[in-house]
Amino acid sequence: GAGVSQSPSNKVTEKGKDVELRCDPISGHTALYWYRQSLGQGLEFLIYFQGNSAPDKSGLPSDRFSAERTGGSVSTLTIQRTQQEDSAVYLCASSLAGGDRTQYFGPGTRLTVL
Amino acid sequence: RKEVEQDPGPFNVPEGATVAFNCTYSNSASQSFFWYRQDCRKEPKLLMSVYSSGNEDGRFTAQLNRASQYISLLIRDSKLSDSATYLCVVNRPGGGNKLTFGTGTQLKVEL
Repeated sequence: GAGVSQSPSNKVTEKGKDVELRCDPISGHTALYWYRQSLGQGLEFLIYFQGNSAPDKSGLPSDRFSAERTGGSVSTLTIQRTQQEDSAVYLCASSLAGGDRTQYFGPGTRLTVL
Repeated sequence: RKEVEQDPGPFNVPEGATVAFNCTYSNSASQSFFWYRQDCRKEPKLLMSVYSSGNEDGRFTAQLNRASQYISLLIRDSKLSDSATYLCVVNRPGGGNKLTFGTGTQLKVEL
């Protein structure tokens, strides 16, 4: 079946611009996660959605970052007024809510802020 | 102290060698442990979960020592295709299924 998809695969933007990154989880997965991976760093948790519950935003690095999940499926991560330190690969993952909660990752969006 | 620490490597080994990776984690309340594999410029993929009793999947063996907060991965008879970065992953206690990743150990298997 189809895996997690993300778009765009690459995004180059200028400092100060806003960007939107999209994630389509695996069908039937109610849990969705955003992580980012900076060069030479481990994956860093950003935000977690589970069903209709309020999202866990504890990993968002600043108020310039926000995310939505519409209809319990597609999610959009928005970064406002991008900074050079936002350059990273943004990875989305999805999982079932119970039982086997293995997280399956999408291919990521590589964001470069000039 | 980092939440999950790994030796970054690289480990350069010949085909057929046995190689072991170690990882330590700082939060004693962590309950779930995994090894993920990440190929260059690709997304991480689950290699195996790690259980207290130790578990094996073909050439791969994972061990967990809760007392020492230590996780290991052993790869036997390594193949060229095993070349990748191996990520030690621990769940973040406090609800949800959030994961904390180590920075990874790079393995290069050579002819």
